Amino acid sequence: DSGVTQTPKHLITATGQRVTLRCSPRSGDLSVYWYQQSLDQGLQFLIQYYNGEERAKGNILERFSAQQFPDLHSELNLSSLELGDSALYFCASSDSLGSGGIADTQYFGPGTRLTVL
Amino acid sequence: AQSVTQLDSQVPVFEEAPVELRCNYSSSVSVYLFWYVQYPNQGLQLLLKYLSGSTLVKGINGFEAEFNKSQTSFHLRKPSVHISDTAEYFCAVSVAFGNEKLTFGTGTRLTIIP
Repeated sequence: DSGVTQTPKHLITATGQRVTLRCSPRSGDLSVYWYQQSLDQGLQFLIQYYNGEERAKGNILERFSAQQFPDLHSELNLSSLELGDSALYFCASSDSLGSGGIADTQYFGPGTRLTVL
Repeated sequence: AQSVTQLDSQVPVFEEAPVELRCNYSSSVSVYLFWYVQYPNQGLQLLLKYLSGSTLVKGINGFEAEFNKSQTSFHLRKPSVHISDTAEYFCAVSVAFGNEKLTFGTGTRLTIIP
């Protein structure tokens, strides 16, 4: 158990809908990262937040957005869903001993499996 | 931009035999390198990482990797594998000294044959 929790574990929805994925980082971790894992695209970095502020951005679509709240949990919002958005979405948090940069060890949650029908 | 190539999509190995999972990267600047493992139906777990210093990096579960700058490689090795090592292994790269994204390879599925 990494200490990172993600809810829900599974999500099934229809095209055009909007969903919110939730992530709670390990206690004390200030950085949260979101990743998408799909058969087509592999494992891709989406976005990182550090102590409430966006820190790094990857291949995140404009239909997707994220935020990190004062209690450090994060939400990933996916809207106007398409079939191709079906994937496993991982959240990770990094230990607060470092600077919050990419060299810190990232601890991954179990993921949310999104199925768009 | 940086990229990672994992040359083998699947590697079958007999139990207690040695294994090497290959990873090559491409970057015009200094990089950090990582190996992650994903067990079935689980998230990713860091095996080891190279930031600087000694080119031989030791990780968890008996794995080690060697950073070779001239060959732009970061191959993962284990001298004797166990059934429990069955998993998907991902090599990843990021730009050093920056808050850059992790770029992952396509993964290598390691299957241990009893």
